[in-house]
Amino acid sequence: GESVGLHLPTLSVQEGDNSIINCAYSNSASDYFIWYKQESGKGPQFIIDIRSNMDKRQGQRVTVLLNKTVKHLSLQIAATQPGDSAVYFCAENIPTGANSKLTFGKGITLSVRP
Amino acid sequence: EPEVTQTPSHQVTQMGQEVILRCVPISNHLYFYWYRQILGQKVEFLVSFYNNEISEKSEIFDDQFSVERPDGSNFTLKIRSTKLEDSAMYFCASRPVAGASYTFGSGTRLTVV
Repeated sequence: GESVGLHLPTLSVQEGDNSIINCAYSNSASDYFIWYKQESGKGPQFIIDIRSNMDKRQGQRVTVLLNKTVKHLSLQIAATQPGDSAVYFCAENIPTGANSKLTFGKGITLSVRP
Repeated sequence: EPEVTQTPSHQVTQMGQEVILRCVPISNHLYFYWYRQILGQKVEFLVSFYNNEISEKSEIFDDQFSVERPDGSNFTLKIRSTKLEDSAMYFCASRPVAGASYTFGSGTRLTVV
C-alpha cells in the first residue's frame, strides 16, 4: 500500500555539524516531495520541496536529494544550529484527479547538542 | 507574509457534542485541505476541497465529518458527534493553484473528554 516512512525516530547532532535525514516513499505516482519542520504546538512549516523531475535542490543551508530509482528522499542541513531542533517530516504529493493530497512520514526528532 | 488562520487554537468538548473548527485560508487560494495529527503520530490527510466540492476524503472522514466553505473566506470542519479518538491537532492548509506549495495553519488542538 501507500506509505512514507522515516528510517530513524531521533537524530542527535553536534551544533555546527551537518545533519542528514532520510525518508523512503512507495508511491511512484507522487509528483513532488516536501520536507516540513514542526515545532511544538505549531503546524508543519515548509522547508524545501523538489519536483519528481529533479534529483537535487538547494536552499539556504538545506539540500534535498531525490532518488526515484530506490524511492528515497533525504534532507541535508548544513552547519546545524540549535534553532534547527524540531520534528522533521517528509511528505509526498499524490495527484488525485483535479486535486491532490499529501502523505506524511512519521517524523524524526532532530536534537542539536550545544 | 499571508497566513492560514485557524480558530480556536484549543477546544475542549464533551464526547457526543458537535464541534466546528474554523479556518481562513489565504485569500487568493483555491484548494483547501484538512489534516489531523494525533499526539505523537504522523499528520494524516482528511479531506481536500476545490471548486466548492470535496475532491477526495480519507477513510477517517466518515459521516460524522463535513466541510463547508460558507462564504468567500472561511473553510470549516464540522464533527457532528465527537468521540474520544477524535482528540488531535487539526490542521487546515491551502494552496493557490494545483502544483503550488501548501501553506498550513497553526492548528486547532481538539480535546474530547
